[in-house]
Amino acid sequence: DIQMTQSPSSLSASVGDRVTITCRASQGISNSLAWYQQKPGKAPKLLLYAASRLESGVPSRFSGSGSGTDYTLTISSLQPEDFATYYCQQYYSTPPWTFGQGTKVEIK
Amino acid sequence: EVQLVQSGAEVKKPGESLRISCKGSGYSFTSYWISWVRQMPGKGLEWMGRIDPSDSYTNYSPSFQGHVTISADKSISTAYLQWSSLKASDTAMYYCARHQGGAFDIWGQGTMVTVSS
Repeated sequence: DIQMTQSPSSLSASVGDRVTITCRASQGISNSLAWYQQKPGKAPKLLLYAASRLESGVPSRFSGSGSGTDYTLTISSLQPEDFATYYCQQYYSTPPWTFGQGTKVEIK
Repeated sequence: EVQLVQSGAEVKKPGESLRISCKGSGYSFTSYWISWVRQMPGKGLEWMGRIDPSDSYTNYSPSFQGHVTISADKSISTAYLQWSSLKASDTAMYYCARHQGGAFDIWGQGTMVTVSS
């Protein structure tokens, strides 16, 4: 199974900051990566798929990049509604579909 | 509107059985796989298994194989997750999610299952 490791596990940032979250796969996943946002008490929401493709309706301040085993989610200018937990997920080699452990973005 | 609507919260005792549901609407239910995802309190997302509603073919995570059963009734656009004998460690939020390509594009609102004596 492919293991997904996110870093950091948590971070503190201010409104307007640029935030980057990293996801590393235990083997190459050929851009078969999705990013989700989860707010407390809510279901996860798909933000990006195929590593860099923005889901419909998601603000353009969210972007993704990477290749091989290493991928990043970037929020160009953090907004109050972006404070949440973010998860990466690989779908290159399935089953299983595997998630990273999550990165909690908190208010500084 | 495309949506998945899950059944309500459940409180059960250890050893009891349970089936929770996930009803799809606004799209062709048999055209997209459905996965179930567990989230234990304060923890991350764990994929449990998936079903193809067109033929009810399933895959399970080894972590859940044998402890849960995933099924679907395409006539009513509903997927199910069931347990025959619940444990306290099954206490969690359970989400169903629709596959779009490999990603999960539509999620149910979640069903909280509490198992306590």
